[in-house]
Amino acid sequence: GAVVSQHPSRVICKSGTSVKIECRSLDFQATTMFWYRQFPKQSLMLMATSNEGSKATYEQGVEKDKFLINHASLTLSTLTVTSAHPEDSSFYICSAPQGKGTDTQYFGPGTRLTVL
Amino acid sequence: AQSVTQLDSHVSVSEGTPVLLRCNYSSSYSPSLFWYVQHPNKGLQLLLKYTSAATLVKGINGFEAEFKKSETSFHLTKPSAHMSDAAEYFCVVSDPRNTGGFKTIFGAGTRLFVKA
Repeated sequence: GAVVSQHPSRVICKSGTSVKIECRSLDFQATTMFWYRQFPKQSLMLMATSNEGSKATYEQGVEKDKFLINHASLTLSTLTVTSAHPEDSSFYICSAPQGKGTDTQYFGPGTRLTVL
Repeated sequence: AQSVTQLDSHVSVSEGTPVLLRCNYSSSYSPSLFWYVQHPNKGLQLLLKYTSAATLVKGINGFEAEFKKSETSFHLTKPSAHMSDAAEYFCVVSDPRNTGGFKTIFGAGTRLFVKA
């Protein structure tokens, strides 16, 4: 079946640096991808919708300049956490719809970000 | 406003006994409803999805859920729990946006423990 991958699976960085997380759809094209954040033992919170060829749509309360999203191709979306701080430490998960017009999603395995 | 409430943060059952994970939702539209499972260090996996075809939805691994509009519920059940069912379960609602596309809202999750 279709797979969504994320890279890296884990990253540790120093406060003030930027970190890029990649989300790829491996055997299908995705004009839309989604980015979620999951705090420990909590639910997933939708951060933004990544749109191929146009600007991302951010949910209320999510800083656009903090979390930069680029949907460079039909199989790749990237999330860059700029000037990371310890409070940005979290589990970031991406997803892509299983097909055009469907709201069923394939989820990536997630990226654990730890900011020291 | 759309919302999803999972009534139990954790549920503990013995192997071979029935499983019931409760979910209530609110939505202004006719939503799609999902149950996803998250095993440690793995991506979310779709268990089942309700659209409008049938109120009783059968999913993978013996799970099923019944949509009850009058109760705004979508509880997940399984007749006999297996040790491998121990995981985090998320009830999810997907609502269409006015601008097109959809928004996915996750419940807080229910941790299922299965005792031998």
